Amino acid sequence: SAVISQKPSRDICQRGTSLTIQCQVDSQVTMMFWYRQQPGQSLTLIATANQGSEATYESGFVIDKFPISRPNLTFSTLTVSNMSPEDSSIYLCSVEASGRFGEQFFGPGTRLTVL
Amino acid sequence: DAKTTQPTSMDCAEGRAANLPCNHSTISGNEYVYWYRQIHSQGPQYIIHGLKNNETNEMASLIITEDRKSSTLILPHATLRDTAVYYCIVRAAWEAGTALIFGKGTTLSVSS
Repeated sequence: SAVISQKPSRDICQRGTSLTIQCQVDSQVTMMFWYRQQPGQSLTLIATANQGSEATYESGFVIDKFPISRPNLTFSTLTVSNMSPEDSSIYLCSVEASGRFGEQFFGPGTRLTVL
Repeated sequence: DAKTTQPTSMDCAEGRAANLPCNHSTISGNEYVYWYRQIHSQGPQYIIHGLKNNETNEMASLIITEDRKSSTLILPHATLRDTAVYYCIVRAAWEAGTALIFGKGTTLSVSS
């Protein structure tokens, strides 16, 4: 299994500002995944972060808006830049369990409200 | 295109079995069926997965039809804490290391 922590757990931000979300895993993992969950909706994949290379973004998400860092095998950050109220969502990071194909573990999420 | 179809919502009485269906009529031979659930305000949680045989663990049972075009997740004795959104996901072995893609899922409401 993997234990994932995220910081902050929630935040209220003003439009036009940026917020960096941290994700820490208790074991080394190759891939880390970032998701967004808008109110009342399912999870949408933002990007996949591989240590040592640039993140791969899904359609509709761009690096300028959601820059991601992956400095080592246990840590990643997602920044939500130049925020607008439409960015109000829960942001979750996730990893695949080592040797357990298809079993992903998720962090508790960061609840972001943009005013 | 969605690989799975699930009912939007279901209700279940506490203590009764909850049977959650999932249709995956286009599933291919090397694709597994995974079930996750998301309790309110938490990240999704893995429940169970299977290829073609029925599976059981401490949380649930997974029944996959012989033609593999549909499956049912069974919570044998539902409790109020099982109220959650349940996601059925089809995934191929070659997709190891890639992210899960979530559909809309089924909202299960367990009431006393």
